[in-house]
Amino acid sequence: DTAVSQTPKYLVTQMGNDKSIKCEQNLGHDTMYWYKQDSKKFLKIMFSYNNKELIINETVPNRFSPKSPDKAHLNLHINSLELGDSAVYFCASSRDPGEKLFFGSGTQLSVL
Amino acid sequence: GNSVTQMEGPVTLSEEAFLTINCTYTATGYPSLFWYVQYPGEGLQLLLKATKADDKGSNKGFEATYRKETTSFHLEKGSVQVSDSAVYFCALSDQRNTPLVFGKGTRLSVIA
Repeated sequence: DTAVSQTPKYLVTQMGNDKSIKCEQNLGHDTMYWYKQDSKKFLKIMFSYNNKELIINETVPNRFSPKSPDKAHLNLHINSLELGDSAVYFCASSRDPGEKLFFGSGTQLSVL
Repeated sequence: GNSVTQMEGPVTLSEEAFLTINCTYTATGYPSLFWYVQYPGEGLQLLLKATKADDKGSNKGFEATYRKETTSFHLEKGSVQVSDSAVYFCALSDQRNTPLVFGKGTRLSVIA
C-alpha cells in the first residue's frame, strides 16, 4: 500500500477554473503538508496541518484553501487558477512537525 | 531564521566518480540535518540523517557528517552510478515542532 497517495497525478486545466487535489496517508501520522515545487525544483512549503488544525500558512494567495476532514486526509482546493500556479504539488506527512517526511508522488498541474 | 544553502547545480559526473554536494546551514540551537533525494517523476524520499554534532548519516553508499564547527552537512559518495541521477535536497529541523526547511536542491546527472 502506498503510504502517502495523492490524486490526480496530472492535472491540465484552463485559466480561471477551480480544481482540487486530494491527499491521503495511511501511516497514522498527525501532521500533513502541502509543498509547491517550481520548474527549477525549488520546494516551498504552503500549508501544514497538525491533528486537523492549521499550523503553518505561508504567504500563499487566498485562492488556495486546504481542507482536512480528518487526520488522514489533506486536500488542496485552488480557485480561479492562474498561469503561475503551474507547478508540481506534493503532499507529505510526518509523525510530528520536524520529523522525517513521507512524500506523495506529486501532482503536476498545468494551467493553460 | 533557519536556512539551508546548498551548492548550485547541475552537477554532471562520469560513472564511478567521487561526489560531493555541499550544504551549510543557519539555525538556532541544535538542529537535525537531513538529505532527501528526488528521482525523476517521484516525490522526495529520505536518504540519510544526523541528529547531533559529529554524527555520520549513511545509506546506499552516501555519507554526510554533521559538522557543528563549520555548520555543514556535505553529502559524499565514493563512486556514483547512473542510477544516482536525481535531485538532492539538504534540510534541517530545529526540533521545535516546526516543519523541515529545505535547500534549493542540486541536480546530479551521472553519465556512463
